[in-house]
Amino acid sequence: AQTVTQSQPEMSVQEAETVTLSCTYDTSESDYYLFWYKQPPSRQMILVIRQEAYKQQNATENRFSVNFQKAAKSFSLKISDSQLGDAAMYFCAYRSADAGNMLTFGGGTRLMVKP
Amino acid sequence: NAGVTQTPKFQVLKTGQSMTLQCAQDMNHNSMYWYRQDPGMGLRLIYYSASEGTTDKGEVPNGYNVSRLNKREFSLRLESAAPSQTSVYFCASSEMYEQYFGPGTRLTVT
Repeated sequence: AQTVTQSQPEMSVQEAETVTLSCTYDTSESDYYLFWYKQPPSRQMILVIRQEAYKQQNATENRFSVNFQKAAKSFSLKISDSQLGDAAMYFCAYRSADAGNMLTFGGGTRLMVKP
Repeated sequence: NAGVTQTPKFQVLKTGQSMTLQCAQDMNHNSMYWYRQDPGMGLRLIYYSASEGTTDKGEVPNGYNVSRLNKREFSLRLESAAPSQTSVYFCASSEMYEQYFGPGTRLTVT
């Protein structure tokens, strides 16, 4: 079974600065997908970014980018120019290419943004 | 376009009571899922349905049953609620890569 670990329960960043959230995963598969989801206080789960394991290029979505290190099984999220609205829980998630689209989530990192 | 809707938003049950959580999606997705989220933890899969007419157990299925009523609707039933089932429940649907989540149901069992 796959496991996803987020070792930082809480992180803090100053508005307009950059912060990196860590995620590691354990799998024996070669083909899979990785995701970062944001959960604000409203509880709504919002997809931030997706990475396909077969792609060497790191995914980027506006101020959000990832550092995908397949050999190290590491998938970190970088948020640039942090905004107050970025404050939320962030969850890393893994999905096997074969397993019916089921997601395995990490325990989450609470990001606080200081004005 | 409502996406994924869940009812109710909040519920309090006494130990031993039963209830059904409802979920519907209007995106014509084949796959639907039920997750639970406990405090300080990520979501854990309870059951999923890869297509209409099929259901399979996830990581934490004990104490729950599901019904895929049609392509749009996927319900989760607690036959005899226990305090350990106090949690926030999320329904989701997907077609390809992304799962779309409902707003969640906060369930408290006393």
